[in-house]
Amino acid sequence: KAGVTQTPRYLIKTRGQQVTLSCSPISGHRSVSWYQQTPGQGLQFLFEYFSETQRNKGNFPGRFSGRQFSNSRSEMNVSTLELGDSALYLCASSPGQGATNEKLFFGSGTQLSVL
Amino acid sequence: GESVGLHLPTLSVQEGDNSIINCAYSNSASDYFIWYKQESGKGPQFIIDIRSNMDKRQGQRVTVLLNKTVKHLSLQIAATQPGDSAVYFCAENRGTSYDKVIFGPGTSLSVIP
Repeated sequence: KAGVTQTPRYLIKTRGQQVTLSCSPISGHRSVSWYQQTPGQGLQFLFEYFSETQRNKGNFPGRFSGRQFSNSRSEMNVSTLELGDSALYLCASSPGQGATNEKLFFGSGTQLSVL
Repeated sequence: GESVGLHLPTLSVQEGDNSIINCAYSNSASDYFIWYKQESGKGPQFIIDIRSNMDKRQGQRVTVLLNKTVKHLSLQIAATQPGDSAVYFCAENRGTSYDKVIFGPGTSLSVIP
């Protein structure tokens, strides 16, 4: 079974631009969660999608958005980039039946640098 | 606020020795805990999990211990190898929704050959 695939691996953008990141979950997994990872804040939850619907959302501004397609692939978008958005963005997939019963399968992440 | 935290941000061990990585949690209602390993350039990978109705669980060279009385979780790695060098995160599942999965800050394990 193929693992979670994230593209691109690296991105360099300038302030004010927007960016779209992609995540393909493990086949059969319907839940996709997104995390921001920084040295100072660790792993912070952005949002989770299941069956094309956002089920949960973390404490991030509205500049961070996402969507999920019918094949469970997910994208996240960050608009009006700020320097503080520089981070490793990770997506994780799981079957989607509930966090208390499932472990997360992570992709290798997209390293975003905002200049 | 409540958080999952690791006592030691860095840990260096000699190859062949046993490693112990600790984690404190504060929500007594949490019932599912997971350890993840993140190697450089990769995302976190599942190592082992434990439910609150257990005190100990063993895997291949790894053991997780749960002490609910003091809300403490530990990961023991036997005969540590260079390939064990990574950042280790504990995760606490505080509820059924995925925003209730709380990760600790991580412990960086370095194995000295």
